[in-house]
Amino acid sequence: AAGVIQSPRHLIKEKRETATLKCYPIPRHDTVYWYQQGPGQDPQFLISFYEKMQSDKGSIPDRFSAQQFSDYHSELNMSSLELGDSALYFCASSKLQGVYQETQYFGPGTRLLVL
Amino acid sequence: AQKVTQAQTEISVVEKEDVTLDCVYETRDTTYYLFWYKQPPSGELVFLIRRNSFDEQNEISGRYSWNFQKSTSSFNFTITASQVVDSAVYFCALSVWGAQKLVFGQGTRLTINP
Repeated sequence: AAGVIQSPRHLIKEKRETATLKCYPIPRHDTVYWYQQGPGQDPQFLISFYEKMQSDKGSIPDRFSAQQFSDYHSELNMSSLELGDSALYFCASSKLQGVYQETQYFGPGTRLLVL
Repeated sequence: AQKVTQAQTEISVVEKEDVTLDCVYETRDTTYYLFWYKQPPSGELVFLIRRNSFDEQNEISGRYSWNFQKSTSSFNFTITASQVVDSAVYFCALSVWGAQKLVFGQGTRLTINP
């Protein structure tokens, strides 16, 4: 079965640079979530989109922005990168069934290293 | 606010032993969903199970079993006859109706020694 695709898988940036992470959800999934996992920590919710509209927002820095496109893929844009942004970034997708949100399935993650 | 606590930071057992990973959750919502995810050394998050708050039935899948008890707000995970391939970090997570973001516990690092 098709899974969530994330690109790139690894990314190295310098401080103050910009990064763009991409996520392609499982086909027919309409909701995308972004999570950040620091070293040795649990994943923290950043933001989610349903049908191209922001549906929820967590502890996402103002330097970060995201959107979901008409083909349901999503991009997380990160500007003015800081050393503390080094983390594993996960995208997950699910499908809304009426008011019932199905299970989130995660992509392999993008490992970002800021030097 | 929701909270998930996995009190066991690390567990180490010898292969073929049974091991139970504890998960305690907090929420004021009456409709909620509980999950277990596995994160092997390769880093991906693998979905294992989902339980809805209105379904307290325990579940068994091969060597894995889950015990959901609303009375104690616990959703524990047992691996029977553990294998080296079970070595991973296991996360318990919670979401509530109307806010589908996942709130994760701190994770339990399970090491199965040959």
